[in-house]
Parts: sequence; structure tokens; C-alpha cells
Amino acid sequence: NAGVTQTPKFQVLKTGQSMTLQCAQDMNHEYMSWYRQDPGMGLRLIHYSVGAGITDQGEVPNGYNVSRSTTEDFPLRLLSAAPSQTSVYFCASTMGRTSTEQYFGPGTRLTVT
Amino acid sequence: AQSVTQLDSQVPVFEEAPVELRCNYSSSVSVYLFWYVQYPNQGLQLLLKYLSGSTLVESINGFEAEFNKSQTSFHLRKPSVHISDTAEYFCAVNSGGSSNTGKLIFGQGTTLQVKP
Repeated sequence: NAGVTQTPKFQVLKTGQSMTLQCAQDMNHEYMSWYRQDPGMGLRLIHYSVGAGITDQGEVPNGYNVSRSTTEDFPLRLLSAAPSQTSVYFCASTMGRTSTEQYFGPGTRLTVT
Repeated sequence: AQSVTQLDSQVPVFEEAPVELRCNYSSSVSVYLFWYVQYPNQGLQLLLKYLSGSTLVESINGFEAEFNKSQTSFHLRKPSVHISDTAEYFCAVNSGGSSNTGKLIFGQGTTLQVKP
């Protein structure tokens, strides 16, 4: 199993540009999440999904969209990038309600200029 | 709302010395608690977790954490650290208490710097 994979590893955007961060898992996990990591703030939940077709907002959802059309994929879309979205983004998955361990991807480092 | 506070942003320590990384959480319900470790330029790895039962939980590389319900704490300890333990450590709580929601609330992180 590859686990949780994220692409790209690095990205530089100009203010106002849009892009999609990709996340995929091959463990047939039901739950998937997106977090952003900023210095001194730990990780904060952006959006999460408890199954295909079901998504909900986390703590910091503004400026981001998600969809979950398949169990494997959970892309995060930035519609109009802002410098405040400069961060490291992590995707995570967990089997479901009966499991407690989250598996994290390697992260995407995004810089918005 | 639940929250997690890691009381130290940085902890410098000499190799082979003991270390404690402090974590407090706020919750009025039963919780699942976790410690994750992040090595430089990598993702997060689960170090250990408390779900129920024994309040002392251990990891395979010598770390242990004790759940203290009365003090709402989950401090991480190691009796003798190695250079390779240098990393950032995150305490986290499951936002649904003892019902897994797939959502974690993280503390701010503690950078453990082990010096030779």
C-alpha cells in the first residue's frame, strides 16, 4: 500500500490564482481530512469527509472547497489564492468510526505571493 | 469547544537526559488522546494514544504518556533521549470525545531539540 499520497510537494502561486491539491489513499478508508499547519498554531482542520459524497467544514474552511466523488480521492481546491493561505497542507485518512488512528500524507508546501 | 494546550513551544535537552513534554486539554466528556511526532520535512506519525483502560501508555521507542483525568493532562515523557528524538511533537484530542469523528484538535506543538 502507498498509504496517503499528496501532490504536488511544493507549489508557488500568485495572489488570485486557483489550484487543486490532490490527496489519495489506497487503504479503503472511510474518513478523510485536510489540515493546514502554520508555525505556532499546530494543525487546524479545514474540511473533512466521512464518506463518498459527504463533506463538512472544519475550523478554517474559508477560501477552500472540497468534494469526495470516490472513496480514494479527496482534492482540496483554492479558488482564489491569498497570501494568508501560505502554509503546509496535510491530508489524512482513518478507517472509520471504529478506528482512531489517522494516517497522514507527506504534505504540500504552498507559497502564495 | 474542546482545546489542547502544549505548555512549552521549545524544549532543549542534552542527550541521555530525561524529558517531559506537557499537554493539557479541555473537555467535559471522555476523550481519545494522541501524541504525534513530526520529523523535519515529513508528515505526522502516531507516537502513542490513549483510548481507555490503563492510564499509562507506551510507544515502541521508549516514550510514555500518562492520562490524568483530574488534571486533564496527557504529558509525554522519556527517561533518556537520543539525538534522533529531535522533532516536533503534537498533542491531539479527538473532537468527538470517545466517539471517533475523524477530526482531531491539535495543540500548538513542542519542538524537542536534543543536544550532544
